[in-house]
Amino acid sequence: DIQMTQSPSSLSASVGDRVTITCRASQSIRSYLNWYQQKPGKAPKLLIYAASSLQSGVPSRFSGSGSGTDFTLTISSLQPEDIATYYCQQSYSTLWTFGQGTKVEIK
Amino acid sequence: QLQLQESGPGLVKPSETLSLTCTVSGGSIGSSSNYWGWIRQPPGKGLEWIGSIYYSGTTYYNPSLKSRVTISVDTSKNQLSLRLNSVTAADTAVYYCARVGRSGWTDYFEYWGQGTLVTVSS
Repeated sequence: DIQMTQSPSSLSASVGDRVTITCRASQSIRSYLNWYQQKPGKAPKLLIYAASSLQSGVPSRFSGSGSGTDFTLTISSLQPEDIATYYCQQSYSTLWTFGQGTKVEIK
Repeated sequence: QLQLQESGPGLVKPSETLSLTCTVSGGSIGSSSNYWGWIRQPPGKGLEWIGSIYYSGTTYYNPSLKSRVTISVDTSKNQLSLRLNSVTAADTAVYYCARVGRSGWTDYFEYWGQGTLVTVSS
């Protein structure tokens, strides 16, 4: 199985801050990496697919980068509505796996 | 707009079988361009991929659940189903169904149901 490791597990930042979340794969997954946002009590929502492609309707302050084993999700200017847990997920293998999640809070 | 809705018992006894249905509206579950998945989330924990089913009927399962899980599609009812045998308390979770989207060479969970909580307890 391909293991996905996110860091940090949680973070606290101020409104307007730039926030970066890292996801590392246990082997190369090329650019088969997706990011999801999950707010409390809600289903996850797709933010980024193919490592850097912004899903339709997602604010442009969200961006993704990386390839191979190392990936990042960046929120350029944190907003109160961005409070959520973020998950990476690989679709390189037919056996998909998620990272353990990164909880983002407002300082 | 595609919509997915999970349904099934909210309480299952240990050692019994968990059975859930996902009803799809706004699109055909049998379309050759579609495939589907189930994901679960134990209370307070992260997401776990359970398995996926292609329009061809080919299935892929999480190795940790493979011996106990079956995913199927009923095109006549436009429904996706999940069966998980011999459940224990560790199977208590919110269960989500999702449609896989595709852009060129890559796939992702594009549409999600709202999720349904299943508790395993006697």
